Amino acid sequence: QSVLTQPPSVSAAPGQKVTISCSGSSSNIGNNYVSWYQQLPGTAPKLLIYENNKRPSGIPDRFSGSKSGTSATLGITGLQTGDEADYYCGTWDSSLSDAVFGGGTQLTVL
Amino acid sequence: EVQLLESGGGLVQPGGSLRLSCAASGFTFSSYAMSWVRQAPGKGLEWVSAISGSGGSTYYADSVKGRFTISRDNSKNTLYLQMNSLRAEDTAVYYCAKWEITMVRGVINHWFDPWGQGTLVTVSS
Repeated sequence: QSVLTQPPSVSAAPGQKVTISCSGSSSNIGNNYVSWYQQLPGTAPKLLIYENNKRPSGIPDRFSGSKSGTSATLGITGLQTGDEADYYCGTWDSSLSDAVFGGGTQLTVL
Repeated sequence: EVQLLESGGGLVQPGGSLRLSCAASGFTFSSYAMSWVRQAPGKGLEWVSAISGSGGSTYYADSVKGRFTISRDNSKNTLYLQMNSLRAEDTAVYYCAKWEITMVRGVINHWFDPWGQGTLVTVSS
């Protein structure tokens, strides 16, 4: 059971927009920053978003992040088949003194 | 270009030991904290351990505390994870990652970037 809760799967058509939610508590998302990772099939995770809403160089602006209270959201616009992957949110849990991740969301681009 | 290359994975019997290595290049290794994150087959990501740039501070998930030891050799730009008393539930791909972490007024800001390609550890008799 993950500390952060994500939907197991989401889907949308090419060109459309999708959002992936990440729900936590005051000990993690509520008081710390959130990052997001993309894991393409058979590969290592890759940083997509850090500090709630910042994109590393090379990450297209189709990817965005936001945070409100104890929840965070990853948005992806202009969906492409190459975006099919597992997406994970992550943050620090101050009560556990651990880095924690969501259970992951599988994105299908139909 | 920052690169991380893990090695040392393999098949080990329950109760056995294994040492993973992560060779780093493309950045000033000693200036950055490093971390290990694992992923059991078909499962999500689980943070395992982390170490400060100097090696003076180490952190562990409860699931591995007392069994795993993280260390680093800054002269060799290499991160290690010594795994003892291995259990079936330790079976996973182990990734090393460069760990960015800051704390301002009690608020933690951290992320993992980049990640290595991973090394598979299988604990089975």
